[in-house]
Amino acid sequence: NAGVMQNPRHLVRRRGQEARLRCSPMKGHSHVYWYRQLPEEGLKFMVYLQKENIIDESGMPKERFSAEFPKEGPSILRIQQVVRGDSAAYFCASSRTGNTEAFFGQGTRLTVV
Amino acid sequence: AQTVTQSQPEMSVQEAETVTLSCTYDTSESNYYLFWYKQPPSRQMILVIRQEAYKQQNATENRFSVNFQKAAKSFSLKISDSQLGDTAMYFCAFMKHQGAQKLVFGQGTRLTINP
Repeated sequence: NAGVMQNPRHLVRRRGQEARLRCSPMKGHSHVYWYRQLPEEGLKFMVYLQKENIIDESGMPKERFSAEFPKEGPSILRIQQVVRGDSAAYFCASSRTGNTEAFFGQGTRLTVV
Repeated sequence: AQTVTQSQPEMSVQEAETVTLSCTYDTSESNYYLFWYKQPPSRQMILVIRQEAYKQQNATENRFSVNFQKAAKSFSLKISDSQLGDTAMYFCAFMKHQGAQKLVFGQGTRLTINP
């Protein structure tokens, strides 16, 4: 039973480019959460999605960031026109329901140069 | 809004010693979950232990145990017989029992176990 899979593990983008981060939840999980971890800090919640629905996006920056979790395929976190301040580790977690334990992927480290 | 505070940025102990990591939180909720996560250099977030607020009994998982003081809003982690593999960042986290199922994390404590 594969865990939460995130790819790529490392992503380098130049300022102004787009970054697309993918997350495949564990089998049977329909709830996905995205978190961002800045260097030497804890994880900060960004967005909570169920299949085809955004449930809570209170932690998402208002501009340039978007997330989706389509009926088929992985969840995607998209960052348009990246800036240096977007450099961070982005973690995805999934759970079977909203009340059960969430399992984390290994994260994607985004570096903006 | 909920907040989680870890007041010890770094700690260091000798192998086989016992170490306690502190965590306090602030919430107006009466029912919730508290967690300790371990993040080794591999960056993987690993759940160490979980406590449900309505349970008075402190959770234990092998060498890991918590001291949950609900009135004081304190949730410390005790690691007994520490091992080199326990070296990692440790994060305390809060989650409401119902509603938005998102984790609120503390800033982390970097724990080093010395041989």
